[in-house]
Amino acid sequence: GAVVSQHPSWVICKSGTSVKIECRSLDFQATTMFWYRQFPKQSLMLMATSNEGSKATYEQGVEKDKFLINHASLTLSTLTVTSAHPEDSSFYICSARDGSEKLFFGSGTQLSVL
Amino acid sequence: DAKTTQPPSMDCAEGRAANLPCNHSTISGNEYVYWYRQIHSQGPQYIIHGLKNNETNEMASLIITEDRKSSTLILPHATLRDTAVYYCIVRKRSGNTGKLIFGQGTTLQVKP
Repeated sequence: GAVVSQHPSWVICKSGTSVKIECRSLDFQATTMFWYRQFPKQSLMLMATSNEGSKATYEQGVEKDKFLINHASLTLSTLTVTSAHPEDSSFYICSARDGSEKLFFGSGTQLSVL
Repeated sequence: DAKTTQPPSMDCAEGRAANLPCNHSTISGNEYVYWYRQIHSQGPQYIIHGLKNNETNEMASLIITEDRKSSTLILPHATLRDTAVYYCIVRKRSGNTGKLIFGQGTTLQVKP
């Protein structure tokens, strides 16, 4: 199946700094990618829909100025957590479709903010 | 999209069939049933999807009742590596832009 690569796998940062997470579709083009976050023992929560060449669409309650999404090409979307705080510590996961009804997910990024 | 109800947890013996139920009594005619699973600390993985006919692939079988109000995912010979959270999701077919909303899923524990 299609491959979605996410980098880094884990990151530790100091409170107040910004962290960028990359999501790449390796063998297909993705006009739309999705970003999720997941807290321990909870389900995935959709944060936003990333659209190539246009602004992302954020779910209710997700701060767009804090979670900056850029989808500059058909194979790359980035999520930047700005001014990260301990409460932003979470597992972030991206996903994309390859033109089929299947959604392919990255391996996730574990963010720990100290 | 229609809401789904799944048992929070299930156990299964290794080598036996794992049958995971899902209720979706408010499903509409153009909504599909999708199954994904998430192994601990990994991104979810697509398993199978269907509209009204039973479906089978190399991973699993999907049995949808005639009234479409419920379905069962069957892993024919469960292995320890099948231990994961299984999500049943109902949504309309919507191409690349359709988002996927996850519920709480069923934690399947396969035991030796």
